[in-house]
Amino acid sequence: GAVVSQHPSWVICKSGTSVKIECRSLDFQATTMFWYRQFPKQSLMLMATSNEGSKATYEQGVEKDKFLINHASLTLSTLTVTSAHPEDSSFYICSARVTALGSPLHFGNGTRLTVT
Amino acid sequence: EDQVTQSPEALRLQEGESSSLNCSYTVSGLRGLFWYRQDPGKGPEFLFTLYSAGEEKEKERLKATLTKKESFLHITAPKPEDSATYLCAVHAPSGGYQKVTFGIGTKLQVIP
Repeated sequence: GAVVSQHPSWVICKSGTSVKIECRSLDFQATTMFWYRQFPKQSLMLMATSNEGSKATYEQGVEKDKFLINHASLTLSTLTVTSAHPEDSSFYICSARVTALGSPLHFGNGTRLTVT
Repeated sequence: EDQVTQSPEALRLQEGESSSLNCSYTVSGLRGLFWYRQDPGKGPEFLFTLYSAGEEKEKERLKATLTKKESFLHITAPKPEDSATYLCAVHAPSGGYQKVTFGIGTKLQVIP
């Protein structure tokens, strides 16, 4: 149980274009989903918390106009990287938690974004 | 601020050579400590949750333990397929909401 599906697994785009990444909870409902970014040899860094039916909460230093998050249903959150630049190239991972205090996060398989 | 420190950063073992990974943490109001396994190019895979000091969890060759300041992931007689990066994370309240803080991980390589 607690399966999170993320799509696409990798994407290559040109500078200036936008890219959308989808995150779905397959066998549970997630009122909250989390978007992380991971650089080589660094820990997972929380970018934003996605809340179903309301605005996302962004971590300090994360541009909300660049990383648009939409959580339109209890099973789907999307992250759109707008006007992507090479420095946005990274590994993006979404996660969700079955709503229970202290329950673990379950992760998607990540999306490798390369901006050329 | 919550802190999670994992050691060593990298560990190379011969197949069958048991060892332990360490996760030291500083947090107020621990809700849970998690261990994950991450393979290259993949998202983290959940292994264990520990909630209170003295608690232990086991799964195949892995055993996780917890004290008030640190957690250990013991690997008994590892196999090459155990090679991966092992992440530790703590779940605690922060600024009015719940936050999960990750360590950098320990990259384990098991040599046949």
